[in-house]
Parts: sequence; C-alpha cells; structure tokens
Amino acid sequence: NAGVTQTPKFQVLKTGQSMTLQCAQDMNHNSMYWYRQDPGMGLRLIYYSASEGTTDKGEVPNGYNVSRLNKREFSLRLESAAPSQTSVYFCASRRDQSNQPQHFGDGTRLSIL
Amino acid sequence: KNEVEQSPQNLTAQEGEFITINCSYSVGISALHWLQQHPGGGIVSLFMLSSGKKKHGRLIATINIQEKHSSLHITASHPRDSAVYICAAPRKDNTDKLIFGTGTRLQVFP
Repeated sequence: NAGVTQTPKFQVLKTGQSMTLQCAQDMNHNSMYWYRQDPGMGLRLIYYSASEGTTDKGEVPNGYNVSRLNKREFSLRLESAAPSQTSVYFCASRRDQSNQPQHFGDGTRLSIL
Repeated sequence: KNEVEQSPQNLTAQEGEFITINCSYSVGISALHWLQQHPGGGIVSLFMLSSGKKKHGRLIATINIQEKHSSLHITASHPRDSAVYICAAPRKDNTDKLIFGTGTRLQVFP
C-alpha cells in the first residue's frame, strides 16, 4: 500500500543544473499537487493537475515546469536550478475536486549550491 | 495578512496535559483541514470539517463557521504527539487549492 511515492528523497544540485522530481500515486486519484515548504512559511502550491492531461499554475510556478504523464504520475522539473529553489518539495494527491483529504508523499529535500 | 493564521507558533507541554491549537481564517471555506507533520517530515491528514466537531482517539477538532475559527485539541498528550500541526483552507476562487497556515510546533515532554 504505497500511497504517494516521491523520488529522490535528497538531492544536491549546482546552480544552473536541471533535474526532475518524480511523483507517483497508486490510489487512482484524479488531482495531484506539487508544493514547496520553506522555513517560517506554510506549504505553497507550485503546480497542480486536476486530471490527466491538465495542469495549472499555483502560487509560485516561476522556474518550474510540470508534466502529468498519466493518471498515476506527476513530475516537477527545474530547468535551470537557482539557490532560491532550495526547499523541501512535497507531492500530494486527492481523489477528486470535492472535499477529500490530500495524501502526501514523504518529500524531497533539494539543495541548490 | 495571511489568510490562514495559527497560534501559537510553538508549544511545549508536559505529558498528560490538554493541548489546544488555534486556527483563524479570512477566506470563506467549504471545509477546513488539519494535518500533522512528523519530525521525519511526512505529512498526514488528520481531519476535514465544515461544521461542529470531529473526534479521532485523543484528537478533537472543532470549527465555528460564524467566527471563522477552528481549534485542534489533544487530550492526555504524549511525547509521540510531538509534531507540527498545520491547518489549511480551500481558496475561494478554486476550492481544489488549499491555503496553508505556517504550523504550530508541539513538543510534549515526559
């Protein structure tokens, strides 16, 4: 019963490098989310996908791209990493757009040097 | 002004104490969420409520829609309750998106 799986758990990048954070859920959920968590701030939405084939910007989308490859997978890409993107990234999913709880992955701790 | 505010930011307690964490919101909501973030970082959903009260074990969540205020109570607190507790409310313009509070860090000492 995996739930929401994020990879990798930790990553260190140099400024300007690119990388993709992977997220997969096995609960047949329609909605998926990418958040970042920074000290002293609440979780902030980067992008979300209400269903397969659709994506929408959140509060802090600049510097990121996403891809909803299929219903299970929602990836987050940093094309040219910047130190300001050092953060902990969480992926989450929810069954549909009604009032259901979100299920979170364990997070990816990303450091940009 | 944040649309979801929690208090206190930090809270310490002795084992067995009754804990209250508060959440005030300025958005109109359909349901308020309470989440728990473990020291290891994982986040789990505790409650979703749109009215009244919900109880799960030693955890109780209440909401007052008119006053736009919710509380999370922990009875007979235990060191394993030590975590960050986060409240979140759906946005008015898109209820599929949540606005999160900054969290309350709770430490319960034996």
